[in-house]
Amino acid sequence: QSALTQPPSASGSPGQSVTISCTGTSSDVGGYNYVSWYQQHPGKAPKLMIYEVSKRPSGVPDRFSGSKSGNTASLTVSGLQAEDEADYYCSSYAGSNNLGYVFGTGTKVTVL
Amino acid sequence: QVQLQESGPGLVKPSETLSLTCAVSGYSISSGYYWGWIRQPPGKGLEWIGSIYHSGSTYYNPSLKSRVTISVDTSKNQFSLKLSSVTAADTAVYYCARQFPLLAYFDYWGQGTLVTVSS
Repeated sequence: QSALTQPPSASGSPGQSVTISCTGTSSDVGGYNYVSWYQQHPGKAPKLMIYEVSKRPSGVPDRFSGSKSGNTASLTVSGLQAEDEADYYCSSYAGSNNLGYVFGTGTKVTVL
Repeated sequence: QVQLQESGPGLVKPSETLSLTCAVSGYSISSGYYWGWIRQPPGKGLEWIGSIYHSGSTYYNPSLKSRVTISVDTSKNQFSLKLSSVTAADTAVYYCARQFPLLAYFDYWGQGTLVTVSS
């Protein structure tokens, strides 16, 4: 199963913005509006941050936003805070008769 | 509040079958949603294993499909994972989670359980 492609790392200073890309294909990211993003701190379970491309679950700060263009989705974290330092994974529905559900390769976000 | 808790052996021998159970509280499995398993090898990324609906309909990662069985027990409000013929490559933290239909996002996760494959 092919994972979605993310940059291994991204960084920014407190207060700045960082954007993470997630590249797939027309069979997953490009084919459905079911892209989601997860935040994972060391030793913890992933936490849903964005679903259906750009929707935020209750309790997730509006500093987190998502978008999609073609086969590439993006997560932007604005006004970076120390607690935003974590691993971030994108994911996408990939067709129930195809790959099912795929995760991205993961991006380590460092707050400088 | 929906809560999920994984349980099962932390050590499995090569070639044997890994078995885990996920107990759900705060929500009835029969009420809807899919219920899935995800794993994460040490220091690596997330991998979807498969998901099941309360009716028993299942979807599996094609790369693991030949070795995976996911089942549900609505009377106990839990679901289970079996992974056969394990090797060291199956060593990972295994998570169970609730999944919005159909194979969309996972909104509630268990804490995860480490399973090591070793003789």
